[in-house]
Amino acid sequence: GENVEQHPSTLSVQEGDSAVIKCTYSDSASNYFPWYKQELGKRPQLIIDIRSNVGEKKDQRIAVTLNKTAKHFSLHITETQPEDSAVYFCAARRGNNAGNMLTFGGGTRLMVKP
Amino acid sequence: GAVVSQHPSWVICKSGTSVKIECRSLDFQATTMFWYRQFPKQSLMLMATSNEGSKATYEQGVEKDKFLINHASLTLSTLTVTSAHPEDSSFYICSASHAGAGANVLTFGAGSRLTVL
Repeated sequence: GENVEQHPSTLSVQEGDSAVIKCTYSDSASNYFPWYKQELGKRPQLIIDIRSNVGEKKDQRIAVTLNKTAKHFSLHITETQPEDSAVYFCAARRGNNAGNMLTFGGGTRLMVKP
Repeated sequence: GAVVSQHPSWVICKSGTSVKIECRSLDFQATTMFWYRQFPKQSLMLMATSNEGSKATYEQGVEKDKFLINHASLTLSTLTVTSAHPEDSSFYICSASHAGAGANVLTFGAGSRLTVL
C-alpha cells in the first residue's frame, strides 16, 4: 500500500519568513495530493491540492510543487503570519474515485513567532 | 461548499458502555465515508471505509466487532464504539468525498472527542 512520509515534524519560523514542508510517497500510481491544515482541536481543512498532471499550483501565499519522478511534493508558505500556526498534513491518493482512500503523512507542527 | 456534520463533538462515558457517533453529509450524497482516529499530536489513522448499503471495509488491526459502522443512507454513517474502555479514548473524525474541481475532495467532520472513564 501507499506510504507517505512528511518532514519536518516541527517547524518554527519568524513571522514574515517562508516555511517549506516536504512529503514523499511510495505508490507511483498516486495522482492526487492534498494538503490539510488542522488547528488545535478542530477538523482538518483542505488548503490546497495538486494532481499529477500539474507540477506546481499556487494560491496567494500558499504553493505546492510536485515531482512525480522523485515521488515527492512540497508545501510552501510565504510571508508567514501567526495565524498560519497549525499542524499541516500532506496526503496521497491513487485514482479519482470517491471510494479511494487518502494516506496521510505524519503531520508538521508549524509555529510562526511574531 | 460541501459540509460534513459530526455529532456529538465530545462525549464522556463509563467503561463498558457503548457510544454512537453520527456523520452526515449535509448538501451532497456520499456513497463512501471514512472514519479516522487521531491520538494527541499524531496523524490521522484510517479505521474503516464506510460504504452505503454494504459492509464497511476495516483497516488491519481495527476490530470490526468493537467499532461498528453502519451506512444506511447516502447522507449518514454511524460509528458505534461498543463496550468502550479507557484505551478507546481518542478523537474520532469522519470524512466524505465530494466532487470538486475535477477531483474528489475529502471534507472532514468536526470530530468527536471520546473520553472513557
